Amino acid sequence: QKEVEQNSGPLSVPEGAIASLNCTYSDRGSQSFFWYRQYSGKSPELIMFIYSNGDKEDGRFTAQLNKASQYVSLLIRDSQPSDSATYLCAVNRRDSGTASKLTFGTGTRLQVTL
Amino acid sequence: DTAVSQTPKYLVTQMGNDKSIKCEQNLGHDTMYWYKQDSKKFLKIMFSYNNKELIINETVPNRFSPKSPDKAHLNLHINSLELGDSAVYFCASSQVGPGLEQYFGPGTRLTVT
Repeated sequence: QKEVEQNSGPLSVPEGAIASLNCTYSDRGSQSFFWYRQYSGKSPELIMFIYSNGDKEDGRFTAQLNKASQYVSLLIRDSQPSDSATYLCAVNRRDSGTASKLTFGTGTRLQVTL
Repeated sequence: DTAVSQTPKYLVTQMGNDKSIKCEQNLGHDTMYWYKQDSKKFLKIMFSYNNKELIINETVPNRFSPKSPDKAHLNLHINSLELGDSAVYFCASSQVGPGLEQYFGPGTRLTVT
């Protein structure tokens, strides 16, 4: 079982629709959860992070966390063609040090169609 | 102003050579990281430094040696390059402490021929 799993996609949604991206993780000690967006040939760009169970909203983006189910999701409302990218889920494992040791999923490719 | 910068952006070299990649951040962060993203786009941590001290050292061949002259700089030196080292290498930084968000540099695309 992979530590962080994502459906590779592509996930195709029409412009204006809600895109729902999902991620599951295996380590119950995971503390914090991140969503990064990566355009082709570019670096990962942080979109949102969430630490507590429930929803966290930022503009058109909502992150949802359910630690009991080991599940985190990202909703993108009013999807735009510019949202077309690969979305990486990252999980911070419990670590005794001072670093934020992220484990990434392989990403879900989102395509927003006109 | 660029927050996390890397040089060079592209690096093409032959097997057996030694090369270095440099990273600098002006965010005032205490912790810096090196990641490798392979051809399947899987992003995996290699090393992390906190204020010049190595704190994460994943299972990486010892041909890879990071060096941090100060907390704003983290370099990666690779000896005896192999074909399998071809990848995009990303530098990142964060504030000290577990669970804090990381910010990535633009990446260095290394091609070993």
